[in-house]
Amino acid sequence: GEDVEQSLFLSVREGDSSVINCTYTDSSSTYLYWYKQEPGAGLQLLTYIFSNMDMKQDQRLTVLLNKKDKHLSLRIADTQTGDSAIYFCAESKNDMRFGAGTRLTVKP
Amino acid sequence: DTGVSQDPRHKITKRGQNVTFRCDPISEHNRLYWYRQTLGQGPEFLTYFQNEAQLEKSRLLSDRFSAERPKGSFSTLEIQRTEQGDSAMYLCASSLARGREQFFGPGTRLTVL
Repeated sequence: GEDVEQSLFLSVREGDSSVINCTYTDSSSTYLYWYKQEPGAGLQLLTYIFSNMDMKQDQRLTVLLNKKDKHLSLRIADTQTGDSAIYFCAESKNDMRFGAGTRLTVKP
Repeated sequence: DTGVSQDPRHKITKRGQNVTFRCDPISEHNRLYWYRQTLGQGPEFLTYFQNEAQLEKSRLLSDRFSAERPKGSFSTLEIQRTEQGDSAMYLCASSLARGREQFFGPGTRLTVL
């Protein structure tokens, strides 16, 4: 989606932290989401943050939102090989707009 | 399994044929969405329903595409006179309310030869 941008690739070593970044353009977005997609599968909702929050933590996942800069990040602590997938950032007001996805590769 | 289901998972067809896909949303969700995803891209919004009413259609949805949700439960997406450019993954999602998190089905992968 042209309104949501992400870097295309990220490679980390197992056990390190991964940080996936996203920028969006619609300042009136209500919710921002992170989805995970494994090969040949649909999208799995990982976490989401309401636009009036600046941080949300859920087990190994930490979402940071900088509303002023329209910047969203997803940090995965202690990254595992099973975390290898494509991660999509999405923003929503009425319909949902997705970025092109960041392919995360976790090396053992 | 109470998630979103889609049928078929894969469809191979010849150019010019019609195809129809089905989506069964999570039962209490009144919003249902269709997306198209091509290789290396995120899902692109096609259309959505609130109950049986189709409320929005993307300009990506040409007149060869039609979607229905006759009883406000399952939905069908039909593509008439398929073209090779229609080859993609067609994803369905449902949500409880406007702007809220959407739960996706596994998708239907269409290949047009």
